[in-house]
Amino acid sequence: DAGITQSPRYKITETGRQVTLMCHQTWSHSYMFWYRQDLGHGLRLIYYSAAADITDKGEVPDGYVVSRSKTENFPLTLESATRSQTSVYFCASSESGGRVNTEAFFGQGTRLTVV
Amino acid sequence: QQQVKQSPQSLIVQKGGISIINCAYENTAFDYFPWYQQFPGKGPALLIAIRPDVSEKKEGRFTISFNKSAKQFSLHIMDSQPGDSATYFCAARGWSGGYQKVTFGIGTKLQVIP
Repeated sequence: DAGITQSPRYKITETGRQVTLMCHQTWSHSYMFWYRQDLGHGLRLIYYSAAADITDKGEVPDGYVVSRSKTENFPLTLESATRSQTSVYFCASSESGGRVNTEAFFGQGTRLTVV
Repeated sequence: QQQVKQSPQSLIVQKGGISIINCAYENTAFDYFPWYQQFPGKGPALLIAIRPDVSEKKEGRFTISFNKSAKQFSLHIMDSQPGDSATYFCAARGWSGGYQKVTFGIGTKLQVIP
């Protein structure tokens, strides 16, 4: 099926563990993004990628690592999970920018709880 | 540092009324202003968007008003319906090092009551 999918949808992990959230898109969009959504903060950009092997930090990158070896995948890794990383994580993708009115397509989110 | 300020955080409107959500920005280099709608348990989805060379854009019951000099833009939902109950995010696209970045407002939870 075409679209953007995140896995898992729900995850509970313990403090200090490493956890990886997966994101896969089938449109061959150049851009991919990771956001976290928290009450009172809205959507905050963690990392983004403009193309394979091109990634950069967003507003709240500390404690996260990303990679983009293939255009369609953009995994997010929490190296040592902390309770403050309990959140709903959204992956998104979009076409290239420029004159294009670029719509970002979001996955359904991963609810992560760190205990 | 919040580059896009959105208000109110929550809004209750009666069915048939007008819902108004306001956003303000500081970066004059932003060149595209989308609004996203999010239903519970779902990811945000594009609702309507505007470029800064246009003062108003209307799609059905949804209208964006844009004031470039004041660096403000707002979403108006006419004849609000219970099905419009959702969280709405304004956003702005900027550029950093040649790459696009979209910054979101804090979100407004809209409840339309019958």
